[in-house]
Amino acid sequence: DAGVTQSPTHLIKTRGQQVTLRCSPKSGHDTVSWYQQALGQGPQFIFQYYEEEERQRGNFPDRFSGHQFPNYSSELNVNALLLGDSALYLCASSLLVLGSPTPYGYTFGSGTRLTVV
Amino acid sequence: AQKITQTQPGMFVQEKEAVTLDCTYDTSDPSYGLFWYKQPSSGEMIFLIYQGSYDQQNATEGRYSLNFQKARKSANLVISASQLGDSAMYFCAMRTSYDKVIFGPGTSLSVIP
Repeated sequence: DAGVTQSPTHLIKTRGQQVTLRCSPKSGHDTVSWYQQALGQGPQFIFQYYEEEERQRGNFPDRFSGHQFPNYSSELNVNALLLGDSALYLCASSLLVLGSPTPYGYTFGSGTRLTVV
Repeated sequence: AQKITQTQPGMFVQEKEAVTLDCTYDTSDPSYGLFWYKQPSSGEMIFLIYQGSYDQQNATEGRYSLNFQKARKSANLVISASQLGDSAMYFCAMRTSYDKVIFGPGTSLSVIP
C-alpha cells in the first residue's frame, strides 16, 4: 500500500518564477494538507483541501494556491517566488473526521526541497 | 489561539539512557489530540505516538511513552533505552476537532555512543 508520494524531490527555481509541487495521498485518504518547513524550524500550515475545495488556510499570501483533483491528489502552486520561499514542502494526507480528533494522524510524504536562487 | 511550545532546541543523551522531550500546548478546544513525530535528516515525518485529550491513561508505544498532564497542558515524550538511530528532530503536534494539525518548533536529539 503506497504512502504519500510527492514530486519532484528537489527543485531549483529563480526568483520571480512560478513552481508547481505535486502530491498523491495515501490510499483511502480524502484530505490533503500542505506545510512549509524552513531549515531548522517546525512545519507551518499552508492550507488543506477536501472535496476539491480549500477548507482551511494558514497565514500565507495569495501567491500560494492549490488544487485538489477528483482522485484526491493535490498540487501546490507558488507564484512570484522569493528567496524566503526556499524550504521543504511537506504534503500530508488524512481521512477527514470532524468533531473529535482521531488517533489517525497525518501520513506525510518525504517532501519537496525547493531552493530559490 | 492554538500553539505548541518546545523549549529545548537541542538535547544530548547517552546511548541506552532515557530522555524526556518537553512539550506544552495551548488550545480552547476541549477535544484535541497530541502527537509526536520524528524527522530524520531524510525529511520524512514519522508518527511515534498519540494521546487524546479524554484518554485517562498515558499513551505508550514500545520505547516511547507520553507523559500527559492535562491541567498543566503538557505532553512530554519519554524515550527509554536510547539508540543511535533515535538521533533526529522531534516535533510535538496538536490536532483539534476542526482537523488541523499544528506543530511546535522541534527539538534536535543527539544520541552519544
